[in-house]
Amino acid sequence: EIVLTQSPGTLSLSPGERATLSCRASQSVSSSYLAWYQQKPGQAPRLLIYGASSRATGIPDRFSGSGSGTDFTLTISRLEPEDFAVYYCQQYGSSPRGRALTFGGGTKVEIK
Amino acid sequence: QVQLVQSGAEVKKPGSSVKVSCKASGGTFSSYAISWVRQAPGQGLEWMGGIIPIFGTANYAQKFQGRVTITTDESTSTAYMELSSLRSEDTAVYYCARAQAGLWFGELNYWGQGTLVTVSS
Repeated sequence: EIVLTQSPGTLSLSPGERATLSCRASQSVSSSYLAWYQQKPGQAPRLLIYGASSRATGIPDRFSGSGSGTDFTLTISRLEPEDFAVYYCQQYGSSPRGRALTFGGGTKVEIK
Repeated sequence: QVQLVQSGAEVKKPGSSVKVSCKASGGTFSSYAISWVRQAPGQGLEWMGGIIPIFGTANYAQKFQGRVTITTDESTSTAYMELSSLRSEDTAVYYCARAQAGLWFGELNYWGQGTLVTVSS
């Protein structure tokens, strides 16, 4: 099973600053199978990025994804007040028992 | 617009089972995978398993193998997740979510509102 490790655990930034979030996989992940989500307190997660770099419908262009192999990055170019939330990466791959999804542990982006 | 509406909160005793439903509307049900993802209080997201209704066979995360059963009823566009042998560590919000593309388990772009399951004696 592929393990996803996100860093840092918490990112303290001010509105207008750039946020760079990392997701590292224990083995190579196809770029087609890497996604990012945003979750706010009391809400379900929201899909931001799929295929490592494609924005989901309605996602502002300040959100961008990049990376390949085992290292992936989510960048928020200029933080807006509504961007302070927890972010998760997710991969879709195979396991001995068939198809499986795994999530990283999350990065909290908080107001400095 | 696709909507996933889940059943209400549950309180269960240790050792019992819980069955959560997820009714889909506004889209094609049979060819899109439904996954179940849980989130313990203050913790991250954990994929439990999923199913593509038209194929009928569920895939489960190794951690939950033998304890979780995911099924669908295509006649009502409803997915179900049943978790047995409940313990306190199963206290969590349980989400159903639909894959963005048909016939695969990839990224999840529609989510239910979540169902809180509390396991307590």
